[in-house]
This record gives sequence, C-alpha cells and structure tokens, in this order.
Amino acid sequence: KQEVTQIPAALSVPEGENLVLNCSFTDSAIYNLQWFRQDPGKGLTSLLLIQSSQREQTSGRLNASLDKSSGRSTLYIAASQPGDSATYLCAVGQGGGADGLTFGKGTHLIIQP
Amino acid sequence: GAVVSQHPSWVICKSGTSVKIECRSLDFQATTMFWYRQFPKQSLMLMATSNEGSKATYEQGVEKDKFLINHASLTLSTLTVTSAHPEDSSFYICSALSQPSPLHFGNGTRLTVT
Repeated sequence: KQEVTQIPAALSVPEGENLVLNCSFTDSAIYNLQWFRQDPGKGLTSLLLIQSSQREQTSGRLNASLDKSSGRSTLYIAASQPGDSATYLCAVGQGGGADGLTFGKGTHLIIQP
Repeated sequence: GAVVSQHPSWVICKSGTSVKIECRSLDFQATTMFWYRQFPKQSLMLMATSNEGSKATYEQGVEKDKFLINHASLTLSTLTVTSAHPEDSSFYICSALSQPSPLHFGNGTRLTVT
C-alpha cells in the first residue's frame, strides 16, 4: 500500500527566503505526482503536476522535482511571501490515474512578514 | 479551465439525520469521481471511487451502507451520509477525472454533526 510522507510537518520562515518542502513515497510505481495548496477550511488548489516520465515542473516561483526511483519529490519555493502561507500537500497517483490519489499529511507553512 | 462544483460548502445536522453532498463537473464529463475525507490536521483519505452507471468501489474501512454514493450521470455524483453521528464530522472533498486531464477537485464540504 502506497504511503506518502511529508517533511517537515510545519515550517515558519521570514519573508523572502527560499525554501524546500519534501515528499517521499514508498511505491515507486507511480503514474504522477501533484503538489497542492490548501488554505484553512478550504479546498485544494493544484500547483504542479509531474508525470512519472518527467523530472521537474516549474510555475512562477515554484519548482517541483521528481526522483521516482528513490521515491522522492521536492517543492522549491523561491522568494517566499506572506501570501504563500498555507498547507502544502503532496499526492501520488497510480493505476494510470484512475485509482485516485494518496496524500501526505502536508507541510503547514507560515511566512513571517 | 475545468471546474468542479461541490454543494453545500458547509452543513450542520443533528445526529441520526442524513446529509447529501453533491459534486458536479461543470464543463466536462467525468468518467470517474472520487470522494475523500479529511479530519482536522490529517491528510485526505480516499473513501470511494465511483464510475458513472456502476456501483462505487469503497476503500477498506469505509462503510458502504453508511456512505451512499450515486453517480447517475457523467457530470454528477452524490455522497449521502446516512444516520450521521458526531464522529462523521469532517471535511469531505470530491474530485473528478476526465483523462488524460489531471484530477479536478471541488472546494469541499464541512460537515458538523451535533
């Protein structure tokens, strides 16, 4: 059974810093990996989607990498801003995408103004 | 872009009553819809997978008679929490799949059972 772990569970940094969130998964036979943002009491906002054949994806100040063989992904946030404060979730898809996603518990990020 | 509408966004009900949550794909046809549950400070856990016109597949530990899922059309799936109890209070989120596009999520439903 796939298990997804996210480290750290919580992180608080001053505004402007670059930071890295980590995600690991136990079964490397994945279809894709997604990073989401969740604001308190809200739904999910998809940030980046990496297919199993890809190694990284970039969107603005966000960069996500994928090392499928080692079961790891990182989300890099450059020049952090207070508006980046949220919980970031890593999720792995299997079964050609038709099996739903397995989520990590998330990293609760606070950017101090 | 693709939009998934989930309704209601929040609901409070009394113990023993049933609550229905709707999940609609607004501008695409979803071959598969997924229902997740999220307890406070926990991750999203997949409850069930539903394909249009067939019975839902439930994850281990999820009671199919308590969480009724209907996927009658390619744009609508419903989750009914029957005889709700306080321990069913949670955040329920649906997602819709129309491959090869990625999953699209609804905004979730906060259920509080008193």
